[in-house]
Amino acid sequence: DAMVIQNPRYQVTQFGKPVTLSCSQTLNHNVMYWYQQKSSQAPKLLFHYYDKDFNNEADTPDNFQSRRPNTSFCFLDIRSPGLGDAAMYLCATSRALGLAKNIQYFGAGTRLSVL
Amino acid sequence: QQQVKQSPQSLIVQKGGISIINCAYENTAFDYFPWYQQFPGKGPALLIAIRPDVSEKKEGRFTISFNKSAKQFSLHIMDSQPGDSATYFCAALDNYGQNFVFGPGTRLSVLP
Repeated sequence: DAMVIQNPRYQVTQFGKPVTLSCSQTLNHNVMYWYQQKSSQAPKLLFHYYDKDFNNEADTPDNFQSRRPNTSFCFLDIRSPGLGDAAMYLCATSRALGLAKNIQYFGAGTRLSVL
Repeated sequence: QQQVKQSPQSLIVQKGGISIINCAYENTAFDYFPWYQQFPGKGPALLIAIRPDVSEKKEGRFTISFNKSAKQFSLHIMDSQPGDSATYFCAALDNYGQNFVFGPGTRLSVLP
C-alpha cells in the first residue's frame, strides 16, 4: 500500500521546458519534503513544507519552486530545466517538526531526463 | 558538524557472510539514527533505527550497534543474501526533529 505516491515515475523533458512533478500522501503528515538524488549520491534536500510554511534550503537554485495546495499534495516545478537537473527526485513526508523520531517516509521517486 | 560520515563506500560480501557498515557523527544534538535501504530505481525505505540510550537493536538479520561515547554506530547484516544488495544510508536526526542528515551511502553487493 503506497503511502507516498509520486507521479510520473519517469519524466522526459527538453532543455528549458518547464516541468512539474507531483507527490501525494495518505499518511496525513504535516511535513512534505523534496529531495534531488544524483547517481551514487545521497539525497539532497531542496525544500520542505511544514503545513503551508515553505522552507527553502539555502543552496537550492531559484529554478526550483514548490507548491502545496493542500495537506495531501505537493508539487515540484522546475522552471527551466538544464542538463544538470537530470536526476531522481524524491518526495518524503514526516509527521511533524519538533518531534523526536521524526522519521521521513519516501516515495518511489521520479526519474527526470533532460534532452 | 552537521555531517554524518559513512564507510565503506562500497562493500562486496559472499552469500551467508556478515555485512558491516559504519557511521560516525559530530553533532551531539543528534539523538535518533535511522538506516535506510534503497534499491535501484526506488526511494529509500526505513530499515531500522536506534536511539543513543540503547547500545544495540536487532530486527531479524539486521542489527544496529551504537557507541555513544565514540559517536559511532554501525549496521550489521547477518547471513547476507543477494536480495540485500542495495545502497544503505545511515542518517541522523536532532532532538528537535528538524535537522535530518544522510550519510553518503554504502553500495552493498552480495554475491550468490
